[in-house]
Amino acid sequence: DIQMTQSPSSLSASVGDRVTITCRASQDISNSLVWFQQKPGKAPKSLIYAASSLQSGVPSKFSGSGSGTDFTLTISSLQPGDFATYYCQQYKSYPITFGQGTRLEIK
Amino acid sequence: EVQLLESGGGLVQPGGSLRLSCAASGFTFSSYAMSWVRQAPGKGLDWVSSISGSGGSTYYADSVKGRFTISRDNSKNTVYLQMNSLRAEDTALYYCAKTVAGENWGQGTRVTVSS
Repeated sequence: DIQMTQSPSSLSASVGDRVTITCRASQDISNSLVWFQQKPGKAPKSLIYAASSLQSGVPSKFSGSGSGTDFTLTISSLQPGDFATYYCQQYKSYPITFGQGTRLEIK
Repeated sequence: EVQLLESGGGLVQPGGSLRLSCAASGFTFSSYAMSWVRQAPGKGLDWVSSISGSGGSTYYADSVKGRFTISRDNSKNTVYLQMNSLRAEDTALYYCAKTVAGENWGQGTRVTVSS
């Protein structure tokens, strides 16, 4: 199974900050990676697919990069609505696996 | 607009069974794989199962293999998850998602396994 490791597990930041979350795969997954945002009590929402492609309707303040085993999600100019939990997920091979999540909190 | 509506959750005793349904609309259902993902209370996301667009290929997490069965009815735009031999650790909110990359998600249906 491919293990997905996110860091950090939690992150405190201020409105207006730029933050980066990383996700590392235990083996090469090419660009078969998606990033989700989940707010409390809500379903996950896809932000980025194929590692760096912005999902339709998602603002350009979200960006993804990486290939192979190392990936990043960058969120620029944080707004109150961005404080949530973020997950990466690989879909290169079964079983599909998720990172453990990164909780982004307001400082 | 893509819509996914899960149903069928509830309270069940250990060893019992439930069948979850996910009714889809807003896209050509038979062209897309569908997945079930669960989230235990206060925990992260956990992939359960996926099925190809035709229904000819199915995939399962080891934790549910042999107990859960995914299926679909393309004439009804619905995907199902038959859950047998339920355990306390299956307690979670079960989401249906379009594709294996989770392009769209439903709001989930809650499954509680408890005596």
